[in-house]
Amino acid sequence: EAGVAQSPRYKIIEKRQSVAFWCNPISGHATLYWYQQILGQGPKLLIQFQNNGVVDDSQLPKDRFSAERLKGVDSTLKIQPAKLEDSAVYLCASSPLAGGPETQYFGPGTRLLVL
Amino acid sequence: GENVEQHPSTLSVQEGDSAVIKCTYSDSASNYFPWYKQELGKRPQLIIDIRSNVGEKKDQRIAVTLNKTAKHFSLHITETQPEDSAVYFCAALDSDSSYKLIFGSGTRLLVRP
Repeated sequence: EAGVAQSPRYKIIEKRQSVAFWCNPISGHATLYWYQQILGQGPKLLIQFQNNGVVDDSQLPKDRFSAERLKGVDSTLKIQPAKLEDSAVYLCASSPLAGGPETQYFGPGTRLLVL
Repeated sequence: GENVEQHPSTLSVQEGDSAVIKCTYSDSASNYFPWYKQELGKRPQLIIDIRSNVGEKKDQRIAVTLNKTAKHFSLHITETQPEDSAVYFCAALDSDSSYKLIFGSGTRLLVRP
């Protein structure tokens, strides 16, 4: 089966600019996750969708980050305005069922550098 | 909420030796513990997982053990090979929420040929 797709793979912006990332999960996967992975650390969950509803966004910096999953398939994550500390890899993951400890499959990530 | 600690942060072994990575977790209600391998610049890939109704699971050279009483779980890699060199992350499911995974800080494994 095709994996989780993400674009772009790399992005360089200046601070205070805005940026958007796109994710296409594995077909049929109900749950979609966005993680932030800072260099040398484990992934940290930013937001979790179940179909097109938000299940958990407790660690999303809502003053600058937003995400949506229209129609319960693709998702976009936006940062506006970006800060230096947002430099990280943004990973999207999906899992098959709505709820339950199911395996999460990760995309290749978008590497963001904020200058 | 769940908190996961992982040790060691770096591990260097000779090819053919075994490697052990340990994680502890705080939420006694957690019931799912996956391990991911991440090669440089690549996505995390699930290598093995364990659920709380079993104490050990094995897949070829990789095994995971779980001690629910002590709230720790470990990854064991036997007969290590240079291609095992990567960063390994443990994770635990946060039972408070919507099946959120909490990741450890990672272990950089280097297998010396």
